[in-house]
Amino acid sequence: KQEVTQIPAALSVPEGENLVLNCSFTDSAIYNLQWFRQDPGKGLTSLLLIQSSQREQTSGRLNASLDKSSGRSTLYIAASQPGDSATYLCAVAGGSQGNLIFGKGTKLSVKP
Amino acid sequence: DAGITQSPRHKVTETGTPVTLRCHQTENHRYMYWYRQDPGHGLRLIHYSYGVKDTDKGEVSDGYSVSRSKTEDFLLTLESATSSQTSVYFCAISVRDVGANNEQFFGPGTRLTVL
Repeated sequence: KQEVTQIPAALSVPEGENLVLNCSFTDSAIYNLQWFRQDPGKGLTSLLLIQSSQREQTSGRLNASLDKSSGRSTLYIAASQPGDSATYLCAVAGGSQGNLIFGKGTKLSVKP
Repeated sequence: DAGITQSPRHKVTETGTPVTLRCHQTENHRYMYWYRQDPGHGLRLIHYSYGVKDTDKGEVSDGYSVSRSKTEDFLLTLESATSSQTSVYFCAISVRDVGANNEQFFGPGTRLTVL
C-alpha cells in the first residue's frame, strides 16, 4: 500500500530565506506527483505536477524535483515571502485509475 | 479556476439524518472525485467517477454513496449521518484522462458537522 510522508510537519522561517520541503513515498510505481498549497479554511491549489518521466518542474519561485527510484520529491521555494505561509501537500498518483494518495502536509510559516 | 463549485459550503445536521453534498463542474471533465479531510489523517478518497453512471469506491467509502447522472454533477450522499462523518469534504476533477498528465483540481470544500 502506497504511503506518503512529509517532513517536517511544520516549519518556520524568516522572510527571504530559501527553503526545501520534503516528500517521500514507498511505492515507486507512480504516474505523477503533485504539489498543492492549502490556505486555512480553503481548498487546495495545484502548484506543480511532475510526470513520472520528468526530473523537475518549475513555476516562478517554485521548483519541484522527483527521484522516483528513491521515492523522494522536494519542493524548493526561493526567496520566501509572508504570503507563502500555508500548508503544502504532496500527493502521488498510482494504480489503474491514477488516484491520488496524499501526505499529511507541511505547515509553513514565513515571518516578516 | 477549474470551474468547480460545491454546495452547501457549510452544513450542520443531526445523527441519523441523510445528507447530500453536490459538486458541479463547468469544464465537462470525465473524472470527478470526493475526498474527506480530517486532522491527523490528511485527505482520503471516498468515491470517484470516470463517467456518467460510472463510479467506484475509494479508501473510505463505508457509509457513503455517490451518483452521477450528468457529466457536470457528482453527488455524495451520507445515508444516515454519524458523528464520525464530521469532516471537510472536497470535490476534485481531473483535467485530462488518467495517466501521467492526470492533474487534479479541487473545489472550495464543504464543512459538515454531525451532532
